[in-house]
Amino acid sequence: ETGVTQSPTHLIKTRGQQVTLRCSSQSGHNTVSWYQQALGQGPQFIFQYYREEENGRGNFPPRFSGLQFPNYSSELNVNALELDDSALYLCASSEGQGQSSYEQYFGPGTRLTVT
Amino acid sequence: QKEVEQNSGPLSVPEGAIASLNCTYSDRGSQSFFWYRQYSGKSPELIMSIYSNGDKEDGRFTAQLNKASQYVSLLIRDSQPSDSATYLCAVGTSYDKVIFGPGTSLSVIP
Repeated sequence: ETGVTQSPTHLIKTRGQQVTLRCSSQSGHNTVSWYQQALGQGPQFIFQYYREEENGRGNFPPRFSGLQFPNYSSELNVNALELDDSALYLCASSEGQGQSSYEQYFGPGTRLTVT
Repeated sequence: QKEVEQNSGPLSVPEGAIASLNCTYSDRGSQSFFWYRQYSGKSPELIMSIYSNGDKEDGRFTAQLNKASQYVSLLIRDSQPSDSATYLCAVGTSYDKVIFGPGTSLSVIP
């Protein structure tokens, strides 16, 4: 069984730039959720994708967008980067629609630094 | 009131002792509850999930849920230095979102 993978591991960007983060879900899982975790805080929900459709969104502006592909892998895109976007970005996969009922398994994360 | 709160840390316990981690939540309709362990610089790792009132045991870990009191806890028996980490409580709310608490840092002293 293959676990959740994310790329890249680390990324440094300049304010105003755009970034794309990638995630491959665990084998057998069709749902991917993205979280932002600032230092010393719990993960904050960005959005979830189920079978290529957005299935719920947290309190993040539209410059945070995503995609899910037929193989259930996913991308998180962030436009017009701000300094406060510096954080650990986590992808979690689960089986089944809906966020609250299913166990989520996290990838290793992408550490984004915006300068 | 924050949606998910955890006891403030850091929590220090001697090796071999029981560590008790607590979590309260505000949404009375919440039905699913999860405990994650997060080592420094790493991603969260699922330890336990619990859905019904009462206790659920898995090795040295016991999760306890009391929906009436809106309270969930994690007990770690025979604590080991390798248990030193931040423990995150996550709650599946009635509006189908999983909300994470801020985490409690645990340090097990040899």
